[in-house]
Amino acid sequence: DAGVIQSPRHEVTEMGQEVTLRCKPISGHDYLFWYRQTMMRGLELLIYFNNNVPIDDSGMPEDRFSAKMPNASFSTLKIQPSEPRDSAVYFCASSLSGGPAYEQYFGPGTRLTVT
Amino acid sequence: AQKVTQAQTEISVVEKEDVTLDCVYETRDTTYYLFWYKQPPSGELVFLIRRNSFDEQNEISGRYSWNFQKSTSSFNFTITASQVVDSAVYFCALSEDNTGNQFYFGTGTSLTVIP
Repeated sequence: DAGVIQSPRHEVTEMGQEVTLRCKPISGHDYLFWYRQTMMRGLELLIYFNNNVPIDDSGMPEDRFSAKMPNASFSTLKIQPSEPRDSAVYFCASSLSGGPAYEQYFGPGTRLTVT
Repeated sequence: AQKVTQAQTEISVVEKEDVTLDCVYETRDTTYYLFWYKQPPSGELVFLIRRNSFDEQNEISGRYSWNFQKSTSSFNFTITASQVVDSAVYFCALSEDNTGNQFYFGTGTSLTVIP
């Protein structure tokens, strides 16, 4: 089975530009998570969805960040406008079901650089 | 306060040596789950193991073993006869029954196995 798929793998953009990151979760997984990883802050949960519905977006840093999940097989994380401090690796993860007992499977990540 | 502490930031060992990665957690829940993930240089996060708070049996999988001790709130990970391919950053994570899908990740331990 294919794992979590993310695109693009690398993104370099200029400050002020819109950035869209994409994720395809593992088929049959009901939960989708977006994380950000930086050296300073480690792994941070930004938002997660259950059955395409956003459940907790308290980790989204500010209004410049938005996430959608229009169907069970696709999600986007958008940053508009982007800033240099948004430079990080963004991971998408999915899990089979809800609850704390279920491991999350991570995609390869998107390395974002904002200049 | 950190819910998961990985005090070892970096460890270097010579190939074939054994190495133990420490993980100390903090929780007030009686039901919780602990995880280990591996992040090799390629960047993806790979799930290794999950344990629940009611199962303190140690687990062995090939060269990997995990020691869960509730008395000391620790969930340590030992690699026996380390190999160069074990070089990676290893993350310990905690999830709690009362906080749903929130994963609390440690800051990671970077392991370098020297040939």
